[in-house]
Amino acid sequence: DAGITQSPRHKVTETGTPVTLRCHQTENHRYMYWYRQDPGHGLRLIHYSYGVKDTDKGEVSDGYSVSRSKTEDFLLTLESATSSQTSVYFCAISRSGAMNTEAFFGQGTRLTVV
Amino acid sequence: AQTVTQSQPEMSVQEAETVTLSCTYDTSESNYYLFWYKQPPSRQMILVIRQEAYKQQNATENRFSVNFQKAAKSFSLKISDSQLGDTAMYFCAFMKVAQGAQKLVFGQGTRLTINP
Repeated sequence: DAGITQSPRHKVTETGTPVTLRCHQTENHRYMYWYRQDPGHGLRLIHYSYGVKDTDKGEVSDGYSVSRSKTEDFLLTLESATSSQTSVYFCAISRSGAMNTEAFFGQGTRLTVV
Repeated sequence: AQTVTQSQPEMSVQEAETVTLSCTYDTSESNYYLFWYKQPPSRQMILVIRQEAYKQQNATENRFSVNFQKAAKSFSLKISDSQLGDTAMYFCAFMKVAQGAQKLVFGQGTRLTINP
């Protein structure tokens, strides 16, 4: 298994509070991604990173920010959580190069905003 | 923008039967990859099979095979001799070939149940 750890695995938080999810990798892969999974939508890309301090928006980035200060860590922050952000969040990593097509996923974080 | 559609929210078959999951996609790209991912109840995302668009030959991995119809933009997954462990959510995904980040676009998923 690829060395990806997401923390926490489960979290319940109140509307309006800030929340940070952490993704940690031991593979030294260049690219890291945050997806959210919702019924009827599959997985949708929130943000991704192509190197330390280099990030870009995905399909559903509103209400989320990210940071990557080290190769191994990619943080996803909900500045003020809303009920619509209740979801399962997945981190993924991939190597650089167009021929390296496989993404490796973490175990997911189930976030409930009440 | 690319879109991926899985029109079967749920499917159920008996153990040892063959089952086919459907996937269609929309893109203007000519060079891309298609994937099927399996998500069992553990929530882990597992790559089942991958198809390069430039290859006409359909990919196979043991009991899993695809029917890739590029002109029709169709990419179905066939599971032969289905097993109880195949019970999972299955996602079809698209990725265009490009240098840089490999961003996946997923379908809505099909929940497959294999009954004993």
